[in-house]
Amino acid sequence: DTEVTQTPKHLVMGMTNKKSLKCEQHMGHRAMYWYKQKAKKPPELMFVYSYEKLSINESVPSRFSPECPNSSLLNLHLHALQPEDSALYLCASSQLLAGQGQPQHFGDGTRLSIL
Amino acid sequence: GENVEQHPSTLSVQEGDSAVIKCTYSDSASNYFPWYKQELGKGPQLIIDIRSNVGEKKDQRIAVTLNKTAKHFSLHITETQPEDSAVYFCAAPLYSGAGSYQLTFGKGTKLSVIP
Repeated sequence: DTEVTQTPKHLVMGMTNKKSLKCEQHMGHRAMYWYKQKAKKPPELMFVYSYEKLSINESVPSRFSPECPNSSLLNLHLHALQPEDSALYLCASSQLLAGQGQPQHFGDGTRLSIL
Repeated sequence: GENVEQHPSTLSVQEGDSAVIKCTYSDSASNYFPWYKQELGKGPQLIIDIRSNVGEKKDQRIAVTLNKTAKHFSLHITETQPEDSAVYFCAAPLYSGAGSYQLTFGKGTKLSVIP
């Protein structure tokens, strides 16, 4: 079982809905990440939080809004999504920033489908 | 730009044979090289990693080798088993600007182990 827990596992929503994805880790990691993964592609970085502060936003559309309420939780708020946003959304965490040579641990993702 | 190239994209081997996946990277300052295994419906799982101060690391049937001069690293799986069938991703921290490095993934290798 993964040590990074994501909920829900599956989500179907219409283009006018508002929903949130949740991620939780209790490993004491101070860096947390959101990735988007399309079928047969590698994970694509969206956001990075370091010590609960947003440190990287990879030019993600504003219909995706991240939030880090505390060092264990990471949310991704979704609003007015497009069909092309259908994908697997992965959360990951690491002790410190992964670019500093820290292993990243991934959750099993939320499979998002936009109708 | 900075990137990570991974080959082959697909690999089929007979059970018991060895499998080798190779990656090259562009940033000579990269110092940490993880390998992830992603099974269907799951998130990427870290299976082995290597730092730039060593040339090889083994963990049971899995080994990773690193050639810093040539900027390439390889995953070796010996005595393959059907449960090794998955998509494997290499990764390396590449410079992303403003003094920061981001973990960048290769495009993945789909390994099929034929019983």
